[in-house]
Formats: sequence, C-alpha cells, structure tokens
Amino acid sequence: QKEVEQNSGPLSVPEGAIASLNCTYSDRGSQSFFWYRQYSGKSPELIMFIYSNGDKEDGRFTAQLNKASQYVSLLIRDSQPSDSATYLCAVPRDNYGQNFVFGPGTRLSVLP
Amino acid sequence: DAGIIQSPKHEVTEMGQTVTLRCEPIFGHNFLFWYRDTFVQGLELLSYFRSRSIIDNAGMPTERFSAERPDGSFSTLKIQPAEQGDSAVYVCASRLARTGQYFGPGTRLTVT
Repeated sequence: QKEVEQNSGPLSVPEGAIASLNCTYSDRGSQSFFWYRQYSGKSPELIMFIYSNGDKEDGRFTAQLNKASQYVSLLIRDSQPSDSATYLCAVPRDNYGQNFVFGPGTRLSVLP
Repeated sequence: DAGIIQSPKHEVTEMGQTVTLRCEPIFGHNFLFWYRDTFVQGLELLSYFRSRSIIDNAGMPTERFSAERPDGSFSTLKIQPAEQGDSAVYVCASRLARTGQYFGPGTRLTVT
C-alpha cells in the first residue's frame, strides 16, 4: 500500500519569503512525483512534476527530489498572498502511472 | 487550450432523486477519473477509465453510484437514488499516459 505523507500545516510565511513544502513517500520504487495546488473550494491544479533526482525549476517554483531519502519538496520563492492554498503531493499508484495516491496536503498561508 | 468541462456547476436535488453529472475531458486524454472531494477527507477516487473501459471502480461508495464512458470521450456519473450524505464536490480529471492529471472545476452537489 503506497503512502504519501505531508505536514498538514498551516504553514505561515511572510510575503516575499521562501515557502518550503515537504512530502515523503513509502514506496521506494516510485518514479515520478507531482505537485498540485488547491484553492479553497476549487479543484486541484497541476503545478509541476519531477522524475529525476535533484532540482527542477519553473518560474518561482522549484521541485526537489531525493529518491534515497524518499523525499520530495516544493519551494516557492518570493511568496505572494495569492500562493495561499493547499499543496498536494501525488505519486502514481502503480508503475503504469494510471492512478495517483495523493497526500493529505499542506495548507500554506502567505501573510502580507 | 480547452480544459475539462463539467456540468452542471452546481446541482441541488432532493433525497431519492437521480443525479447525473457530466464530464468532458481534455481532447485526446484517454484516461478519465472521477473523484469526490468532501474537503474533510480530501480527494477520494471513485472510478477511472481508459478509453471506454472501466479500469477500477472499487472506490464507488455504494451500488447507487455508477459511471459510464460510452464512446471513450465524455463520461457521466450517476447517483440513483441520491442521499444527503452524497453532498460533496465531484471532480473529474483526465490525463494522457505518464503525465499528471488535469482536474476539472467540479460539480457541487447538494442533496436536501
């Protein structure tokens, strides 16, 4: 049974700071990892995904993957109040990537 | 770039009635997923399709729930008869193989 764990938060950071969101997963064989953002009352939206160890940058977002530690993180630079949302980490349920296991999400609050 | 279309946006119905929710996935996405978002338990996978075939519907809470995707494009989720506990947001997602899921805006169902 695959598990994905996240700190539920809330994580509060001041505007302009770096927000660091963490996710651990149980299946050492997991190959790909996805980050979603979900605003209150809205559906999740895909932010980025990462397959390889190391960092992947996209605008103000950086995903970091460490397969040895079974740890994936999302950094948000220059945090804005509009970044306040719940961030979900997701891992494919099987090697075919047909379905995803979602973490419980971390609620981020960026304070102006 | 057209996203996922779900209809209706909001459905209010009485206990015992039949509810039919519709999802049009992103064109060309062969995988389609139905989730229920209660905002307490998070995203709960109900069922998913590859083309017109149901791959997994183990998440359907009871036999009152059924999903179809007759021609491999749009899908319907039917609840018959609806109960008050079914009130939630029903979210459709779609994807290509080996990519993240893209989520629709959801249908908010209220059963009175």
